Amino acid sequence: GNSVTQMEGPVTLSEEAFLTINCTYTATGYPSLFWYVQYPGEGLQLLLKATKADDKGSNKGFEATYRKETTSFHLEKGSVQVSDSAVYFCALSRDAGGTSYGKLTFGQGTILTVHP
Amino acid sequence: NAGVTQTPKFQVLKTGQSMTLQCAQDMNHEYMSWYRQDPGMGLRLIHYSVGAGITDQGEVPNGYNVSRSTTEDFPLRLLSAAPSQTSVYFCASSSNPTGGLYGYTFGSGTRLTVV
Repeated sequence: GNSVTQMEGPVTLSEEAFLTINCTYTATGYPSLFWYVQYPGEGLQLLLKATKADDKGSNKGFEATYRKETTSFHLEKGSVQVSDSAVYFCALSRDAGGTSYGKLTFGQGTILTVHP
Repeated sequence: NAGVTQTPKFQVLKTGQSMTLQCAQDMNHEYMSWYRQDPGMGLRLIHYSVGAGITDQGEVPNGYNVSRSTTEDFPLRLLSAAPSQTSVYFCASSSNPTGGLYGYTFGSGTRLTVV
């Protein structure tokens, strides 16, 4: 079946540090890949997405590139801010049969804390 | 405001009680789904629907029931609550099975405690 594995957390950084959160996946066919962010006490918001190999998703200074050869979709940001403190989820959209019915498979989430 | 609305935001149940978590969207999305979020486990799919009258089970369906009589509403029913169902529940919707341009839209969640 499909699965998503994220790097272990929590991650604690100082403001302006470089961020990488690793994400690898297992899926049949050609999944769409997502990063969602959850701020304290809120629901999930789409951060960025990519739908095919070598696509780069980007938003709010965050980037991730769809690497089919390494089945990865690592999240990066060059200079984090305190306001980036949140939980980050990597996810894919594809079911085991090779078609997609509006379902997402999530990684376990990575807690990011940024200190001033 | 367009989006996914979940009610209630918080609920405490006693073991064995039943209740319905409500989810409504006003974006005319065909695809809707329910997830539960537990610490260290990410979000896990409970049930999903690809349109009115069509539902199917996800990864963790036991103890939950759904129906989809309209495009807008997708309620989740707990038949006999158990402490293992203590969790945060999220409803999501999309116009496209792969998420489309804007991905999936999530509600703000229902925090359920079963005592």
